[in-house]
Formats: sequence, C-alpha cells, structure tokens
Amino acid sequence: QEQLVQSGAEVKKPGASVKVSCKTSGYSFTGYFIHWVRQAPGQGLEWMGWISPQSGGTQIAPKFQGRFTMTRDTSLSTAYLDINNLRSDDTAVYYCAKVSTLVATAVDRWGQGTLVTVSP
Amino acid sequence: QSVLTQPPSLSGAPGQRVTISCTGTTSNLGTGSDVHWYQHLPGTAPKLLIYRNSNRPSGVPDRFSGSKSGTSASLVITGLQAEDEAVYYCQSYDNYLSGVFGGGTKLTVL
Repeated sequence: QEQLVQSGAEVKKPGASVKVSCKTSGYSFTGYFIHWVRQAPGQGLEWMGWISPQSGGTQIAPKFQGRFTMTRDTSLSTAYLDINNLRSDDTAVYYCAKVSTLVATAVDRWGQGTLVTVSP
Repeated sequence: QSVLTQPPSLSGAPGQRVTISCTGTTSNLGTGSDVHWYQHLPGTAPKLLIYRNSNRPSGVPDRFSGSKSGTSASLVITGLQAEDEAVYYCQSYDNYLSGVFGGGTKLTVL
C-alpha cells in the first residue's frame, strides 16, 4: 500500500538548518506530485508548496520562498524539505502528502508529520 | 489569517446536522477552483473527506456531503456521531496555482 514515512523530530537553534525527508513506497514516486503542509502549534494547516518528483520542478507559496527548498531523489523515492536560517516561528509539524489519484489538486496520502522545534 | 474563511468552532448533538462554511474570493474559489475538505483528528494525519466540491472518496460515509457555489463552499454532516469530533479544513487553489487552506473549524459533538 502507499506509504509516506517522514524523518524524526528535530530540535534546532535559531539560524541553523534542517532537512526533513519523506520516503515513499507502494506507488510510482515520479507519477504524483508531493505537497508540503505546515501546522504551527495551535494553528491550522498551511500550504507550503509542491514538487514534481519527475521533473524536480516546484511551486512554493510566496510566504515560504527564500529559506525553504523542496527537492527529491528519485533513486530513493524520497522528497526533502530544507529549511535554512531557522527562526522560532518555524516551530511546527511539517507534513508531506501525495496528490490523490482521484484529483490532482487534492492530497490523500500523508506522512506522519515531523515536528521541528526551534529553540535557543 | 487564512485565505479561506471558516467558522473557528461549531457544535452539535449526536444525530444533528451541521454545516461548515468556507468563504473565499474571486482570486481563489471564484476562479472555478475545486474545493476539497479534510478531517483532522488530533495526533493523526489529515484525511481527505470530500474532493472536487462534492465527491466522497471510497470509505467516507454518505453522512458527509459537500457543495460549492461561486466563492463559497459548504460541508454538511448529517446524523452527527461522536467520532466526527475533529477539525475540518477546506482547501483550494488561487489564481497563482498556490494552494490555500481555510483556518479550520473545530467541531464538538455535545
């Protein structure tokens, strides 16, 4: 079955960088976009962007342009989210999600989420 | 402040019907973009509940239904059950192809 398994929780200091991985299995990795979604403590879901595993092309929400990078390694069927120059307000759970086979604008398989904590 | 506006909270008794609204603008829902709905239980990943405005994925009970008109969409839950207590999000796209979520509605079953 389709699975997305994310890397474990991270604790970082302000100004550091972090790389969150999203390893997929059970389907053709290059066939479906991967989206990233953030949920800060006590807040709602926030769409960050997507990556095309086939081409590597990305669409990143304006708010996340600059310090956030989405990449993939097709040989590992894995997508990555890099965050540079971490700030305290980057503390959140980061989810990767695969677009649905039903409609390309929705996601229906999610990773378990990765908690990134930014603290001095 | 989310791009799509949802009521922060709603409540209903078991068996009742509740409606969760999702209001957008001419830059997102008004462009004809589809609306999708997700159910988010604490400590779990969100679940796709309704796709393309009114369609249910396999396994979603027909107590859940969705609709869209112009710049607004709605999720209706009939025959409310205790297990429906969750946060519900609407999601769509804007005219720059960026995804947008509603702020989420916390549904409490009394």
